[in-house]
Amino acid sequence: DSGVTQTPKHLITATGQRVTLRCSPRSGDLSVYWYQQSLDQGLQFLIHYYNGEERAKGNILERFSAQQFPDLHSELNLSSLELGDSALYFCASQVGGGNTEAFFGQGTRLTVV
Amino acid sequence: TQLLEQSPQFLSIQEGENLTVYCNSSSVFSSLQWYRQEPGEGPVLLVTVVTGGEVKKLKRLTFQFGDARKDSSLHITAAQPGDTGLYLCAGGSGSWGKLQFGAGTQVVVTP
Repeated sequence: DSGVTQTPKHLITATGQRVTLRCSPRSGDLSVYWYQQSLDQGLQFLIHYYNGEERAKGNILERFSAQQFPDLHSELNLSSLELGDSALYFCASQVGGGNTEAFFGQGTRLTVV
Repeated sequence: TQLLEQSPQFLSIQEGENLTVYCNSSSVFSSLQWYRQEPGEGPVLLVTVVTGGEVKKLKRLTFQFGDARKDSSLHITAAQPGDTGLYLCAGGSGSWGKLQFGAGTQVVVTP
């Protein structure tokens, strides 16, 4: 158990819809990273939040947005969903930034039909 | 963008054989991490190397960071079926930089 909780574990939704994925980091970790993992693209960095503030953006589409709340949990919002958005979405928490260990949640498997 | 290339993409071996996975980049990283991911789970950290030329051993796994801190290798001795998984390398670029992940090497060890 990494201590990082992601919900839901599975999500099936139709094209054009909007979903929210939730992540609770390990106790004490201020950094939350979101990643998308698909078979043909590997683990792609989406966005990083540290203590409520956005720190870095990766290959995140404009249809996607995220935020980190005062209690440090984070939500990733995906809107106007397309078939190609089907993937595993992971969040990872770290004490600090890139040189510290990343603890991953079990992921949310999103299927867009 | 700093790219990490892993090779091979897929490796299938029999129990008891040795294997090596490579992680290469044209960029310098301040640290290099190796993770293993099993189906339906998130990646789990195996080791972090931070010094050029550093070698770390974790039971039957040996990790090496290149002298120039641009490449790394993972060697597994006498592989076991429990070593099956997706091995990912990730480069760190400073205290606040994000981890840059390679595409992974899928290792399958058959009894």
